Amino acid sequence: AAGVIQSPRHLIKEKRETATLKCYPIPRHDTVYWYQQGPGQDPQFLISFYEKMQSDKGSIPDRFSAQQFSDYHSELNMSSLELGDSALYFCASSFGQGSQPQHFGDGTRLSIL
Amino acid sequence: GENVEQHPSTLSVQEGDSAVIKCTYSDSASNYFPWYKQELGKRPQLIIDIRSNVGEKKDQRIAVTLNKTAKHFSLHITETQPEDSAVYFCAVGTGGYNKLIFGAGTRLAVHP
Repeated sequence: AAGVIQSPRHLIKEKRETATLKCYPIPRHDTVYWYQQGPGQDPQFLISFYEKMQSDKGSIPDRFSAQQFSDYHSELNMSSLELGDSALYFCASSFGQGSQPQHFGDGTRLSIL
Repeated sequence: GENVEQHPSTLSVQEGDSAVIKCTYSDSASNYFPWYKQELGKRPQLIIDIRSNVGEKKDQRIAVTLNKTAKHFSLHITETQPEDSAVYFCAVGTGGYNKLIFGAGTRLAVHP
């Protein structure tokens, strides 16, 4: 079965640079969630989209923005990168709103030098 | 906002034993309770979930129980195997679009 596709898998950036992470949800899934996971920590909710509209917002820094496109893929844009942004970034997708299972992609490992 | 506490943080069992992980939550409006298994450097993998209108759900060696009154839910793994070794996260779906709030995780080690 098709899964959530994230790209790139690994990304190395320097401080103050920008980065764009991409997420392609499972076909027919209309909701996308972004999570950030630091080493040894639990995933932290950043932001979500339903039907191309932002549906909820968590602990996402103002330096980050995201959107969902007409084909339901999503991009997380990160600017003025800081050392503390080094983490695994996961995208998850689900079908519909409410209590629907969220399936995670393999993540993007972002390293800031 | 929602707060999720998970215990224990580490759990070591012998192969064939049972393992139980417990989570408590604070928001009585929360209505969705999944469990994820995560191996080192890999994605969280959904292993079982339960909704607020159900008290118990079982899938082969894995079961989840929910006590809405006490606001806690538990993961039960029977006949543990070495490949069950991983970090297990409970999560709570909250808000209209069910963003997930995760517990801190339990590192399960199953020894042959």
